[in-house]
Amino acid sequence: DQQVKQNSPSLSVQEGRISILNCDYTNSMFDYFLWYKKYPAEGPTFLISISSIKDKNEDGRFTVFLNKSAKHLSLHIVPSQPGDSAVYFCAALDSGGGADGLTFGKGTHLIIQP
Amino acid sequence: GAVVSQHPSWVICKSGTSVKIECRSLDFQATTMFWYRQFPKQSLMLMATSNEGSKATYEQGVEKDKFLINHASLTLSTLTVTSAHPEDSSFYICSASLLRDEQFFGPGTRLTVL
Repeated sequence: DQQVKQNSPSLSVQEGRISILNCDYTNSMFDYFLWYKKYPAEGPTFLISISSIKDKNEDGRFTVFLNKSAKHLSLHIVPSQPGDSAVYFCAALDSGGGADGLTFGKGTHLIIQP
Repeated sequence: GAVVSQHPSWVICKSGTSVKIECRSLDFQATTMFWYRQFPKQSLMLMATSNEGSKATYEQGVEKDKFLINHASLTLSTLTVTSAHPEDSSFYICSASLLRDEQFFGPGTRLTVL
């Protein structure tokens, strides 16, 4: 049973436009969410995170929105740049749980078209 | 989907002892495996990249002699934390690469050094 779902395996966006990556979760105990970016043959790199006490966190071109009632979060990238083409992983954490393990989604491959 | 296992999932050891963590790709051969470390509510930090049959590539700030990595086969990589100390207590997670842009994470190993 997948607790963190990224239902779009891939997303194609034109350069300069907004990219919106979505993530849904089922475990109401999750209280911290992270987005990772990954290039081919490299490990994921941390992008941005959000605590469940907030509904928005912004860092430069990246903004993450959290809708707790819907158990949904999204990552907005604006404007999208060619270097943004990568796989984006959503991850969730139950900080009160017995282990600080991250539950990852399967990722969304973002393709920025020139 | 591809499955990556880690063993053990939990380990508690005394200060000064060494601990070995195994990462296995169960249903595919992985030429590249990654080792990460995560402190509570922190991002997943890449420690090293492990390629089968060659020496691991360590990230800046990661002590090679303390975190020994062996990638002896296409399905197994091991991380040995030598002379562990309480500050080494952390969550260690590996991932295995199937294709250039596909990476599968293990469930992680919680290390507690007393």
